[in-house]
Amino acid sequence: NAGVTQTPKFQVLKTGQSMTLQCAQDMNHEYMSWYRQDPGMGLRLIHYSVGAGITDQGEVPNGYNVSRSTTEDFPLRLLSAAPSQTSVYFCASSYWTSGNNEQFFGPGTRLTVL
Amino acid sequence: QQQVKQSPQSLIVQKGGISIINCAYENTAFDYFPWYQQFPGKGPALLIAIRPDVSEKKEGRFTISFNKSAKQFSLHIMDSQPGDSATYFCAASSGFQKLVFGTGTRLLVSP
Repeated sequence: NAGVTQTPKFQVLKTGQSMTLQCAQDMNHEYMSWYRQDPGMGLRLIHYSVGAGITDQGEVPNGYNVSRSTTEDFPLRLLSAAPSQTSVYFCASSYWTSGNNEQFFGPGTRLTVL
Repeated sequence: QQQVKQSPQSLIVQKGGISIINCAYENTAFDYFPWYQQFPGKGPALLIAIRPDVSEKKEGRFTISFNKSAKQFSLHIMDSQPGDSATYFCAASSGFQKLVFGTGTRLLVSP
């Protein structure tokens, strides 16, 4: 049971480049989400999904796209990277049941945009 | 708009002392209040959580105190240890999983 896995661990991009951050979970969780963590700002929700084929925007969605074709995978796409997207990105998953809201986080991807 | 306000930003406590981190929220619809612990280079992990039907929850050395009327909740770490040195985030959500996080508190427990 690997939990939530993220790849890559580190990435450096040039402004305007695109890339996909990968996230996978093997716990059969319905709910998956992407956060970015910036100093002094905590974790901010980018996009989330409550099941395969269903996604929605969080607090800071601009510049990012997501899709959810399977229960296990929830990739995050940066369409045209900007220096403001330099951050640490975390993927998380949990069950979609009331009373069990624990979110399990991956180890993160540290992204630098030059 | 910061829906969950956390303080202090950083905290230094002597080994064996009590660490206290406070959070205040605005949305009265919030019904789930977790605390997450994050070590450097790792993702956050759930430490303890409370729902508004109780005023206190204790798990080992960690206690959440909840004041519904004041819309505040706090984390108390008793007998703080150097291994507790980490960043702590409070959070809140309404209904399902859309957590709103505080800005974090960096705790350093000195030996």
